[in-house]
Amino acid sequence: GQQVMQIPQYQHVQEGEDFTTYCNSSTTLSNIQWYKQRPGGHPVFLIQLVKSGEVKKQKRLTFQFGEAKKNSSLHITATQTTDVGTYFCAYHSGGSNYKLTFGKGTLLTVNP
Amino acid sequence: DGGITQSPKYLFRKEGQNVTLSCEQNLNHDAMYWYRQDPGQGLRLIYYSQIVNDFQKGDIAEGYSVSREKKESFPLTVTSAQKNPTAFYLCASSGLAGGLTDTQYFGPGTRLTVL
Repeated sequence: GQQVMQIPQYQHVQEGEDFTTYCNSSTTLSNIQWYKQRPGGHPVFLIQLVKSGEVKKQKRLTFQFGEAKKNSSLHITATQTTDVGTYFCAYHSGGSNYKLTFGKGTLLTVNP
Repeated sequence: DGGITQSPKYLFRKEGQNVTLSCEQNLNHDAMYWYRQDPGQGLRLIYYSQIVNDFQKGDIAEGYSVSREKKESFPLTVTSAQKNPTAFYLCASSGLAGGLTDTQYFGPGTRLTVL
């Protein structure tokens, strides 16, 4: 079945540096969702991308969906310590099935 | 105050005992989900339910059971048949929206430790 690979698995940055995580699929995805999980917390929805080539921004976060709808990225500009956490991408299997399949996530740590 | 509640936050059980994790939502969502999270493994789907009195196995259903007698509640039982039950268990819910999936809202999770 479909699978997504998230890279990198871990990323450590200095505060103020940029950060990017990638979500790659071998097959076309109907949509991509991104979630953030703070240490010790639960995943919280960030954004959903549906259209080919779509770009969405939330303050310092920029989300992209590839033209072929096989990959997505999350870019954080000028990281802050509040950005620490694990970022997951997730995709919908399609049809009448509403389950999401999650990638393994990228753990971001920020050195103040 | 709308949301999803899971109880308890921490749970300890002896090996060989069944244990039931609670999940309640007051968001009026139709669909509910149970995930298991292990370090470095991301979220793995155990069971999900799109409507009352109906549920489907996820990717790792063996050793688990669920029920969905009420829209608001989706309890998960970790049975003694589950080989490695120690994990962080997350419950989530979502509405059903046309042809696109709704976002999922997660509860705070239950950390189960089997001794």
